Amino acid sequence: SQQGEEDPQALSIQEGENATMNCSYKTSINNLQWYRQNSGRGLVHLILIRSNEREKHSGRLRVTLDTSKKSSSLLITASRAADTASYFCAIPSQGGSEKLVFGKGTKLTVNP
Amino acid sequence: DAGITQSPRYKITETGRQVTLMCHQTWSHSYMFWYRQDLGHGLRLIYYSAAADITDKGEVPDGYVVSRSKTENFPLTLESATRSQTSVYFCASSDTGWGYTFGSGTRLTVV
Repeated sequence: SQQGEEDPQALSIQEGENATMNCSYKTSINNLQWYRQNSGRGLVHLILIRSNEREKHSGRLRVTLDTSKKSSSLLITASRAADTASYFCAIPSQGGSEKLVFGKGTKLTVNP
Repeated sequence: DAGITQSPRYKITETGRQVTLMCHQTWSHSYMFWYRQDLGHGLRLIYYSAAADITDKGEVPDGYVVSRSKTENFPLTLESATRSQTSVYFCASSDTGWGYTFGSGTRLTVV
């Protein structure tokens, strides 16, 4: 079934470094979303990028979407310890664009 | 407070008991969702609702019942709890074309 797959599964970096996470999927989509989850908390919506967009920015976040390769990346620049969290990509499931299917996430650790 | 509220935050129940998890949103979002999050499985959709009185199954609906008599409420009921339903349950809401807003989750343990 349709599902985004994040890569890597875990990433550990030092404060100030950039973090890049990737998401690949299998079928056509009309949008792709990224969420963050701090330990023990609910998910927080970060960015929604539509299929006709190639890049989108929000503060220190940059998301790209390559529909020809069926992949997306999330870049966090100048990372901070507070960015430590799991990051999920989500794509619309087949048959209903409001239903999202979430990947298993990338666990990011930013060391101070 | 504005937002999406789940209750209870934690629940321990016995096998075979009926349990209801509550979800309330204050934005009048059309869509509401219930997901469960388990290690190794990520988030899986249980049920969703496109509007009041309209609900539909997600990926893992067996053993669960939902209702949506009012736009703002979307309770999830486990009719006869089983140990396999031990999980963290998240409610979310959205409007068409926008991202989800999630609640803080209910950690349910079935013993």
